[in-house]
Amino acid sequence: DSGVTQTPKHLITATGQRVTLRCSPRSGDLSVYWYQQSLDQGLQFLIQYYNGEERAKGNILERFSAQQFPDLHSELNLSSLELGDSALYFCASSVGQGEGNTIYFGEGSWLTVV
Amino acid sequence: LAKTTQPISMDSYEGQEVNITCSHNNIATNDYITWYQQFPSQGPRFIIQGYKTKVTNEVASLFIPADRKSSTLSLPRVSLSDTAVYYCLVGDVGFSGGYNKLIFGAGTRLAVHP
Repeated sequence: DSGVTQTPKHLITATGQRVTLRCSPRSGDLSVYWYQQSLDQGLQFLIQYYNGEERAKGNILERFSAQQFPDLHSELNLSSLELGDSALYFCASSVGQGEGNTIYFGEGSWLTVV
Repeated sequence: LAKTTQPISMDSYEGQEVNITCSHNNIATNDYITWYQQFPSQGPRFIIQGYKTKVTNEVASLFIPADRKSSTLSLPRVSLSDTAVYYCLVGDVGFSGGYNKLIFGAGTRLAVHP
């Protein structure tokens, strides 16, 4: 158990809908990362937050948005869903200070768009 | 951010030592080298991290030559349960804290046979 909690574990929704994925980082971790992994694809970095502020952005679609709240949990919002958005979405967290930080991943949220 | 190159796949047998080499020619001074293991439908799991020379923990060793342009993950006496994808990452731990845009490559698919 990495200490990173993601909900829901599984989600099935229809095209055009909007969903919210939630992540609770490890206790004490200030950075939260979101990744997308499609079937047989690698991990695609989406976005990083550090202590509530957006820190880095990857290939995140405009239909997707995220935020990190004062209690450090994060939410990834996916809207106008398309079939191609079906994927495993991972959240990860790290302390975010000092050298040699390690990021720890949650078990992911399976999103199926039908 | 330093790009990494790893073999796409490797095969081994139970009880053998497996060495997976990662090339990172453009590694920067502040970069750490981290390896992750991922099983299907699970979040990547931290294996080992190093900056230079050799690092060893209870599951693996990491060898880093003086020029740091490559690194080798060594798994002693693999078992069937070590069948997974292994990712090499070179992280830029900036002043802003944590890794920024931590990019995963395609990884190495290790198959361990009986």
